[in-house]
Amino acid sequence: DVVMTQSPLSLPVTLGQPASISCRSSQSLVYSDGNTYLNWFQQRPGQSPRRLIYKVSNRDSGVPDRFSGSKSGTDFTLKISRVEAEDVGFYFCMQGTHWPYTFGQGTKLEIK
Amino acid sequence: EVRLVESGGGLVQPGRSLRLSCTAFGFTFHNHAMHWVRQVPGKGLEWVSGIYLKSDGTGYADSVKGRFTVSGDKANNSLYLQMNSLRAEDTALYFCAIDITPGGADYWGQGTLVTVSS
Repeated sequence: DVVMTQSPLSLPVTLGQPASISCRSSQSLVYSDGNTYLNWFQQRPGQSPRRLIYKVSNRDSGVPDRFSGSKSGTDFTLKISRVEAEDVGFYFCMQGTHWPYTFGQGTKLEIK
Repeated sequence: EVRLVESGGGLVQPGRSLRLSCTAFGFTFHNHAMHWVRQVPGKGLEWVSGIYLKSDGTGYADSVKGRFTVSGDKANNSLYLQMNSLRAEDTALYFCAIDITPGGADYWGQGTLVTVSS
């Protein structure tokens, strides 16, 4: 199985400041069709996961443009340019290239 | 609007069975992959099982292989998870999710809680 190693596990951020979360995959996530199926999700307290980013860097509909995704080889990054109060919650990466899908451990973002 | 609604969770004794359902609204099952993912409250996510609705191809996590069976009913826009020989470590919130885009887990249900305890 592909291991997704996510960091940090806890991320205290001051409102208005940037935040960055990383995921590293244990093997390539490039599928045979040339796409890289790496997604980022947000899970607010008491809610189900909501996808923010798909295929590394594509924002889902309705996701603010302060969220962005990028990759360098097998390292993937979710960036929030300016953290707002509504961004509090868990963030996790998920690879959908290989079955079984696997997840990062999750990052708890909180406001300082 | 795409919506997934899970049901069937509850309190069950170790060794017993439970069947979870997930009904989709706002789209029609076709050539999608669907998944069951579980989460111990306050913890991370674990993919449990998946099915390709076009081919009925399935996959299972090692932790549930031989005990859980996933199935889909395209006529009723529903996904099922038959869980047998339940163990305490199966206690979790179970979500269904659908790949509208390949590898995407685009939409998730609200989850149904399974508690395995005597």
